[in-house]
Amino acid sequence: TQLLEQSPQFLSIQEGENLTVYCNSSSVFSSLQWYRQEPGEGPVLLVTVVTGGEVKKLKRLTFQFGDARKDSSLHITAAQPGDTGLYLCAGAGNAGKSTFGDGTTLTVKP
Amino acid sequence: SAVISQKPSRDICQRGTSLTIQCQVDSQVTMMFWYRQQPGQSLTLIATANQGSEATYESGFVIDKFPISRPNLTFSTLTVSNMSPEDSSIYLCSVATSRDSPLHFGNGTRLTVT
Repeated sequence: TQLLEQSPQFLSIQEGENLTVYCNSSSVFSSLQWYRQEPGEGPVLLVTVVTGGEVKKLKRLTFQFGDARKDSSLHITAAQPGDTGLYLCAGAGNAGKSTFGDGTTLTVKP
Repeated sequence: SAVISQKPSRDICQRGTSLTIQCQVDSQVTMMFWYRQQPGQSLTLIATANQGSEATYESGFVIDKFPISRPNLTFSTLTVSNMSPEDSSIYLCSVATSRDSPLHFGNGTRLTVT
């Protein structure tokens, strides 16, 4: 079974601070996705990373895929209250099935 | 991206009863999945809904408890049978357009069993 461990599990910061969320596995993934989920809604895709060492930027969010395609990180610059939510990494598996990380609950206080 | 409508959005059910959750997609999709999630926690895959054939269940989930139908490429149902309080959770329908594409999710069904 492929497992994805996310850290930290909970993060509470002030508006304007920077933060990094980590997603680690002992398995290699062909691609990895990051999702954000708000209460009462389903997860929404933020980004897909495919190539080892790849870095993608989405406004204040920077995503990196490890060289060995076993780990990834999400860095948020100058966090805003609108960034509050549950962040999930997911590794692509066989037949379209994804393995999800434990999740990181982020709270950004104004 | 696909628009997924899931209903009901929430329900409170009594122990021993069954609830059927519907998932409607606005376009034909190859893959449909059902996940379970405790609030604020990770997602656990229940099964892959296969069009025109029996669903493929993950370890720990069985057809008698979670029967799934998928009559066509745009619709699926998940039934939670003979419910107990341990079944209280959020149930999510998701779709993928291909093996390598990311997942799109419905808004989930929040189930509480009393």
